[in-house]
Amino acid sequence: GDSVTQMEGPVTLSEEAFLTINCTYTATGYPSLFWYVQYPGEGLQLLLKATKADDKGSNKGFEATYRKETTSFHLEKGSVQVSDSAVYFCAQHSGTYKYIFGTGTRLKVLA
Amino acid sequence: DVKVTQSSRYLVKRTGEKVFLECVQDMDHENMFWYRQDPGLGLRLIYFSYDVKMKEKGDIPEGYSVSREKKERFSLILESASTNQTSMYLCASSFIRRHLIYGYTFGSGTRLTVV
Repeated sequence: GDSVTQMEGPVTLSEEAFLTINCTYTATGYPSLFWYVQYPGEGLQLLLKATKADDKGSNKGFEATYRKETTSFHLEKGSVQVSDSAVYFCAQHSGTYKYIFGTGTRLKVLA
Repeated sequence: DVKVTQSSRYLVKRTGEKVFLECVQDMDHENMFWYRQDPGLGLRLIYFSYDVKMKEKGDIPEGYSVSREKKERFSLILESASTNQTSMYLCASSFIRRHLIYGYTFGSGTRLTVV
């Protein structure tokens, strides 16, 4: 069945380091892909999305490119801040009502 | 901005109690969802609803029921709370227009502890 696989965390980085969080998906069709972020004690917020191959989603300095050939949607940021510390979830949506989420990757940024 | 409001941030209930978790959204979204979030397990879908009075089981519906009498409100009911239902519960809503998918909007979550 359809699934989303994320790299295991936690990921610990120093401020201003480069961030990559890997995400791959399996799907029978052509899903839309999403990254959500969850700050401590909060619900999830939509961070960015891409709806077709080669689309690049971006928001708040984060980017992810929909790579159909590698079935990937890796999240990147050039220079992380302490305020980026959160749990990041990759998700896909492929025409049914529900979304399929990865298990989340915790990011901790040290000052 | 769409708002999804969950009635309680923290809740403590006793084993065997009937528990109601309420969720209200204010932007006329057709679809509403209840998830639970547990460490190491990510988000698991309990139930969802794509219209008033319509409901579908998700991946882990056992021990839960739902009610959607009005479009803006989606309630999760724990018929007889048990300690293994201690979790973070997240409500979400979504809509689709002209085949475009806009993503979920989540509430802030309810952390339920069953003692």
